[in-house]
Amino acid sequence: DTGVSQDPRHKITKRGQNVTFRCDPISEHNRLYWYRQTLGQGPEFLTYFQNEAQLEKSRLLSDRFSAERPKGSFSTLEIQRTEQGDSAMYLCASSPRSGGYTFGSGTRLTVV
Amino acid sequence: QKEVEQNSGPLSVPEGAIASLNCTYSDRGSQSFFWYRQYSGKSPELIMFIYSNGDKEDGRFTAQLNKASQYVSLLIRDSQPSDSATYLCAVRGNTDKLIFGTGTRLQVFP
Repeated sequence: DTGVSQDPRHKITKRGQNVTFRCDPISEHNRLYWYRQTLGQGPEFLTYFQNEAQLEKSRLLSDRFSAERPKGSFSTLEIQRTEQGDSAMYLCASSPRSGGYTFGSGTRLTVV
Repeated sequence: QKEVEQNSGPLSVPEGAIASLNCTYSDRGSQSFFWYRQYSGKSPELIMFIYSNGDKEDGRFTAQLNKASQYVSLLIRDSQPSDSATYLCAVRGNTDKLIFGTGTRLQVFP
């Protein structure tokens, strides 16, 4: 069990550029989640997968955000045409069928 | 009304005291309840979770549920300066996602 791995740890991008983040969950976990967290707030749900199926997506998530988990293992989160309001910590977590999530270290995105 | 509400704090307690953290939730159908600790600049780490059927104790931590009043509490006994962090309450309803509160900042002073 090597934990949940996220890459990159930090990303600085110019407004309007596309960015992609990767998450490698704990291998035995079939559920994978993406959250976003800004300063002083709790993590905000974005989307989650059970194996390769995307089961829920937040209504707050704009069309510029897309996530995939093609083989039920790692996942990617892409943000197109980034805006300054996208600056946040993007957290990935995985879990077994029941119980709590294990979070990765996060990807801190700064849009300039 | 937010789905999960927490007092943002800070809650300041002296070393060795009991720290009591609370959160309220709006969905009566919520089935499990989680407490995470988050140090500044780090990601949340799970402390403990309970189901709707009872309380739980783990070392210095006790999680309690009051279903009638829809609140969850976390007690930290013998608080240490290393416990100083933000504590996030999260609730799971009838889907797999967790809904988080905004967190309570705890400060334990020597």
